[in-house]
Amino acid sequence: QKEVEQNSGPLSVPEGAIASLNCTYSDRGSQSFFWYRQYSGKSPELIMFIYSNGDKEDGRFTAQLNKASQYVSLLIRDSQPSDSATYLCAVNEETDSWGKLQFGAGTQVVVTP
Amino acid sequence: GAVVSQHPSRVICKSGTSVKIECRSLDFQATTMFWYRQFPKQSLMLMATSNEGSKATYEQGVEKDKFLINHASLTLSTLTVTSAHPEDSSFYICSAPELLNPTEAFFGQGTRLTVV
Repeated sequence: QKEVEQNSGPLSVPEGAIASLNCTYSDRGSQSFFWYRQYSGKSPELIMFIYSNGDKEDGRFTAQLNKASQYVSLLIRDSQPSDSATYLCAVNEETDSWGKLQFGAGTQVVVTP
Repeated sequence: GAVVSQHPSRVICKSGTSVKIECRSLDFQATTMFWYRQFPKQSLMLMATSNEGSKATYEQGVEKDKFLINHASLTLSTLTVTSAHPEDSSFYICSAPELLNPTEAFFGQGTRLTVV
């Protein structure tokens, strides 16, 4: 069974510090990888996507992908209280079904002032 | 980014009744839409893939006769929960990749269903 694994947390991060979130996936054929943020009772919102090995930066967020290790991570720099949410790692399993995502259980992040 | 509108955002229904949830892509066309379900403190689980003009594809363990999906146009998919029971109470979310640029799926606002 294909799986996407995340630590559930909660991950407590002081305001201004770096939050580091990890995700592993079992399907070696996975092609694209997404990080979503979800506030309680709300729908997920896309933070970043990454397709190629290496780092991808967007503002305070950096995604890192290592396909050989089947590992994707998200760094949040200068963490703010508004970053407190659940972060979902998602994997697109099939190149011919764009948008079909398998989600990890999510990591709850709590940024403390 | 593109907008996916989902209605209603919240619904309460009695056991045994049916509830219809709509998912619309407002400014793009989508031949495929996806329906997810999320129980409290759990992640999103894909229920089915909605295909415009053809039958939906259901994930293992999802009852197709209970969760009816209709994708009648390139901008609208509906999920009907038939003969709802309290255990169907959940957060239902749709998503749709844009037909011309399918690398990202856009999510609807979600529907909180409570069956009493």
